[in-house]
Amino acid sequence: QVQLEESGPGLVKPSETLSLTCVVSGYSVSSNYYWGWIRQPPGKGLEWIASLYHSGTTYYNPSLKSRVTISMDKSKNQVSLKLSSVTAADMAMYYCARHPTADYNFLTDSYSPRWYFDLWGRGTLVTVSS
Amino acid sequence: DIQMTQSPSSLSASVGDRVTITCRASQNINRYLSWYQQEPGKAPKLLIYTATTLQTGVPSRFSGSGSGTDFSLTISSLQPEDLATYFCQQTYSSPRTFGQGTKVEIK
Repeated sequence: QVQLEESGPGLVKPSETLSLTCVVSGYSVSSNYYWGWIRQPPGKGLEWIASLYHSGTTYYNPSLKSRVTISMDKSKNQVSLKLSSVTAADMAMYYCARHPTADYNFLTDSYSPRWYFDLWGRGTLVTVSS
Repeated sequence: DIQMTQSPSSLSASVGDRVTITCRASQNINRYLSWYQQEPGKAPKLLIYTATTLQTGVPSRFSGSGSGTDFSLTISSLQPEDLATYFCQQTYSSPRTFGQGTKVEIK
């Protein structure tokens, strides 16, 4: 059974860098899926942040790209997210999610992603406060 | 960015009712639309992708329709376990955006 489990600091101070980890069990992050992060502020809708394939291909939400880094540790079978210069607007539940691949893209020398998320973790809540 | 607008924002219906939620995109997204169900306190769950394809394991009372800019999610016979918020998502262009959600309550 494939499971995704997010973890993070819970509380981060304004202007600091948020670091989150998603441990994947029951499936290899090096297999044919993309791994992404999505967030949901309290009582609000969902916002896709970034996605990563094991080949190193990354996709970022342009609105967050300057502050976000997504990475993968294949030896630990986990995906991580770093968000710098956090503000109150970054307070949210952060979810790790998987999305399948589509056709091979010769321009990027990687598989393109399908953009629906077929498996999600339970999320980790991040509060921003001094 | 493509804006996704859902309606209604909330609804209340009885067990056995037919329920329809609509989602409108700010531009043509062909059939690149997904639907998710988020039960209270839980992570979202994929119901439908490419507008009409039912995800494995999802009950057949859920169905999706539409193309272009107008889409709908229908629950043919509402069940108590369908209490949840439902989100649409366009998967057509970056950034992939979500609707604000429709909360379904049981009368």
